[in-house]
Amino acid sequence: SYVLTQPPSVSVAPGQTARITCGGNNIGSKSVHWYQQKPGQAPVLVVYDDSDRPSGIPERFSGSNSGNTATLTISRVEAGDEADYYCQVWEAVFGGGTKLTVL
Amino acid sequence: EVQLVQSGAEVKKPGESLKISCKGSGYSFTSYWIGWVRQMPGKGLEWMGIIYPGDSDTRYSPSFQGQVTISADKSISTAYLQWSSLKASDTAMYYCARRRAAPGSSYYFDYWGQGTLVTVSS
Repeated sequence: SYVLTQPPSVSVAPGQTARITCGGNNIGSKSVHWYQQKPGQAPVLVVYDDSDRPSGIPERFSGSNSGNTATLTISRVEAGDEADYYCQVWEAVFGGGTKLTVL
Repeated sequence: EVQLVQSGAEVKKPGESLKISCKGSGYSFTSYWIGWVRQMPGKGLEWMGIIYPGDSDTRYSPSFQGQVTISADKSISTAYLQWSSLKASDTAMYYCARRRAAPGSSYYFDYWGQGTLVTVSS
């Protein structure tokens, strides 16, 4: 089965840029989606199809995908961005999640 | 406004049965697949299965096949997830979500329910 590998945690200072990676064999040939989950809340779609943003998601959230790594980039990080982030491919495969801590 | 509203938290004993629900509104319920996702305490997201309410076509993850039943009643725009005999290991938050298609036979969930917490304990 296909495995997606995310770092367990990423830390960043407010105003800086956070990059959360999602590794998978030839993931660049697949469409990657990203979800944000804040404590006690349901997941929220923040990027779909590698780099598209749903309406209402700030432009600070962007995605890229090439080779064996997809990346969710959050620019000008805010305290409110602190959450768990999950990548997904196809439909049924989720990464293990990355906890973003804003220092 | 698209909404998925799930039924409330449940506390059950091992061996009991349970059916939780997910009611859709604000869109054509019969035109989109609905998926169920499990999140065990402190853990990540697991895809359980999906159903197309238009014709009740259902697909399961191999990990959940035979363990749960997914169904839908299109007349009331509601999808269901049920267990015939709960185990302590079924303790988790369960989310329903609406599926959308992306290029290349890829799918994602664009709207999620608020989650239903199921606790199974003797």
